[in-house]
Amino acid sequence: QVQLVQSGAEVKKPGASVKVSCKASGYTFTSYDISWVRQAPGQGLEWMGWISAYNGNTNYAQKLQGRVTMTTDTSTSTAYMELRSLRSDDTAVYYCSAGTGDYWGQGTLVTVSS
Amino acid sequence: DIVMTQTPLSLSVTPGQPASISCKSSQSLLYSDGKTYLYWYLQKPGQSPQLLIYEVSSRFSGVPDRFSGSGSGTDFTLKISRVEAEDVGVYYCMQGIHLPWTFGQGTKVEIK
Repeated sequence: QVQLVQSGAEVKKPGASVKVSCKASGYTFTSYDISWVRQAPGQGLEWMGWISAYNGNTNYAQKLQGRVTMTTDTSTSTAYMELRSLRSDDTAVYYCSAGTGDYWGQGTLVTVSS
Repeated sequence: DIVMTQTPLSLSVTPGQPASISCKSSQSLLYSDGKTYLYWYLQKPGQSPQLLIYEVSSRFSGVPDRFSGSGSGTDFTLKISRVEAEDVGVYYCMQGIHLPWTFGQGTKVEIK
């Protein structure tokens, strides 16, 4: 069965960077784009961007341009999302998903606090 | 950005009764390929979202047939024919045609 397993929770200071991983299994990795979605505490879902696992093409939300980078490693079927210059309002659960939300990871809590 | 507006924002339903959630988009979600890229997700308490409906009305694998989606253009509806206890959570619509993809605010469904 399709599984997306994300890396563990992170605590970062303002201005630092975080890199979240998302390891896929149960399907051909290059068959689905990988999207990243975040959810601030008690809030709704916010789309951050996606990456084609086939050719590495990316599309990022305008508000995150310049701070976010999404990559994939097809040899390990793993997607990565790096967010730089972290601020307190980046505190959220970060989800990866395959396709258009067909399958989701378990989420990674990133806490930004001094 | 396309704005997705859901109503109501909360719903309390008696088990076995129907429920309906509306989602309106600020622009048409009909693409030139003839498909309409409107999706419905359910986020159960403490869990990741899960896909219920894709392209307006197609149920994702394993989704019970009590869930149905309808609509066109800018107006869409998710219906649950008979609500069960396991259906509690927050329902989100999402448009996947115009970047950035955007979600509705969410509709919280509770059981009476």
